[in-house]
Amino acid sequence: DVKVTQSSRYLVKRTGEKVFLECVQDMDHENMFWYRQDPGLGLRLIYFSYDVKMKEKGDIPEGYSVSREKKERFSLILESASTNQTSMYLCASSLPPRALGTDTQYFGPGTRLTVL
Amino acid sequence: ELKVEQNPLFLSMQEGKNYTIYCNYSTTSDRLYWYRQDPGKSLESLFVLLSNGAVKQEGRLMASLDTKARLSTLHITAAVHDLSATYFCAVGSIQGAQKLVFGQGTRLTINP
Repeated sequence: DVKVTQSSRYLVKRTGEKVFLECVQDMDHENMFWYRQDPGLGLRLIYFSYDVKMKEKGDIPEGYSVSREKKERFSLILESASTNQTSMYLCASSLPPRALGTDTQYFGPGTRLTVL
Repeated sequence: ELKVEQNPLFLSMQEGKNYTIYCNYSTTSDRLYWYRQDPGKSLESLFVLLSNGAVKQEGRLMASLDTKARLSTLHITAAVHDLSATYFCAVGSIQGAQKLVFGQGTRLTINP
C-alpha cells in the first residue's frame, strides 16, 4: 500500500512565524503535490514537484514556497504565516501519467494549521 | 482554464434511496477521478474514467463519463449509512499534464 505521511495532524502558529510542513511518501513516486482544502472550495493546488529539486507553481502559490531535496520528501514553507493561511493542508504523491489513468494521486492524512 | 463544478454540494438522504452526484468540467480532458473523504480522514481514490461512455462500479457506487457533455456522474444505489462521506471529482488537465483540478466536493449524509 502507498503510504503518504505528514509531520503533524494539528499545528497552531502565530502571525509572522515561519512554518514548515513536511510530507514523506514511501512508493518512489516522482510527483508530489501540496493542496489546501477549505470548505466550499474543494482542493486547490499550491505547488507540485515532478522530480527532485524541480517545482512548479499551482493555482495559489502566493505566500508559500516548497523544497524537494530528496525524492521521498516534499516540504511546504510558509515564510511569514498569516491568518488567511489557516486551513487544512494535504500532501499527495503519484506516478507520472505514463499511461492514461496511472497518475492516481495518493493523499496524506492532512495537517490542520491554525494561524493566530 | 479548466474549471470543475459539482452539484449538489450537500446531500442528505435516507437509507435505501438512490441518488446521483454530478461533475461538470469546462475544457477537454483525458481522465477523470472520483475520490471519497471521510470526516477527519484523507482522500481515497474510488474510480478513474478514461474514455467516453466509460462506466465503473464498486458495490453501490457507479461512475460514468460523457466526454462530449463534459459530465461525469456518481450514482448511489440503495444507499447505506457507511456511504456517508464527502465525494470529490477531479479532472486531468491536458495543458498541465500532471495536474488534477478538483471539484468543490459533495457532502453526502445518509440517515437511517
